[in-house]
Order: sequence, then structure tokens, then C-alpha cells
Amino acid sequence: GAVVSQHPSWVICKSGTSVKIECRSLDFQATTMFWYRQFPKQSLMLMATSNEGSKATYEQGVEKDKFLINHASLTLSTLTVTSAHPEDSSFYICSALQGETEQYFGPGTRLTVT
Amino acid sequence: GQNIDQPTEMTATEGAIVQINCTYQTSGFNGLFWYQQHAGEAPTFLSYNVLDGLEEKGRFSSFLSRSKGYSYLLLKELQMKDSASYLCAVREGDYKLSFGAGTTVTVRA
Repeated sequence: GAVVSQHPSWVICKSGTSVKIECRSLDFQATTMFWYRQFPKQSLMLMATSNEGSKATYEQGVEKDKFLINHASLTLSTLTVTSAHPEDSSFYICSALQGETEQYFGPGTRLTVT
Repeated sequence: GQNIDQPTEMTATEGAIVQINCTYQTSGFNGLFWYQQHAGEAPTFLSYNVLDGLEEKGRFSSFLSRSKGYSYLLLKELQMKDSASYLCAVREGDYKLSFGAGTTVTVRA
């Protein structure tokens, strides 16, 4: 089956610093990847759609200058949380679209901003 | 926009059957997914319905009625490892998924 990895699996950073999270499709190419955020006991909220070779599409209310997305190849998308604050602490999950139907999710990255 | 509702919690006994309901209101409906998510892990795909009816996959079955905006996930022969959160997700358009808040299922011995 399709495998998606994320790195790092968890990260702690200080307020005001930036953190980069990588999402890779290991055994398939993904033109489209998605970034979600999940707060404790809440469901996944789509942040943005990442398209290879073009600009990401952000959901309403998500600051594109704060959450920088780069989808430089067919197997890698990165999310950079800039000037992180404690309220950015969350579980960030990516997924990659295979074909037209299925999204395969990465294992998630737990971000804690102190 | 969309409004996806599912119960917050359900408890059942090992070996029993549990049915998780999901209702939705959306424009541009293009399929309904069920995912299983264990705490601290990413969701894993369980089922997909785009046409009305029942899809059976081993111990798990999923039903869809598009006219009623309703789906359910049926878990049979419950096992302890089935304790998890179950997410109902509606696809609008080509591939955008919107998730419900999830139903936490607790299986007791």
C-alpha cells in the first residue's frame, strides 16, 4: 500500500522561531498533498492544498505568510511554521493524493511551542 | 460549506456490534469516507461510499443514503483493538475532504 512519511515526528521549539515539517510519499508520486491541523479531541482541519510546481491553496482563516508551503517535487511537500507561538502547538498531519480518490496520511508531527 | 455531525462517544462490549451514524449537509458531494484514528496517530482509511447502499469489508461495513445526507459505519465482532476514534469525512469537488469531529469508541471486555 501507499506510504507517506513525515519528519520530524515531534518537535519542541521556542516562541518566535520557525519550524519546518517534511511530508514525503515513499512509493508513489503525488501531484497534490494536503496539510491538516488537529487540536486535542478535535477533528482534522484542512489548512492548505499543496500542488507540485505551483502555489498552495490556503483555506479561509489560514495565514499563508505564517504557514509556508513548498511542494518542490512529486514526492515532497514542506510546511514551515514561521514565528511560532504557543497557540500554534498542535498535531500537524499531511496526506498525499494517489489517483483521484484516496488520500494517504502521514503519521503526523506533534509541535510544541514553549 | 458543510456540516458533518457524528456522536462524540460510544461504548460497547467486546464481540458486540456498534453503529456510528454520520449526517452531513454539503454542496458538491463527491463521496464519503470513514477513517480510524488511534490516539496520537494519523487516520487510516476504512471505507468509501459514493453511491447509495452498503459496502462490506470484513468486520466493517459502511452505508450511504445521499438523499438523506446520512451514512453509518458498522463494526461487528468488536475487538479491544477497535477502541479508537472514527472519523466521517465528506469529499466535495475533486478531492477536498471535510471531517466530522470524530466518534470515540471504547470497547470493554
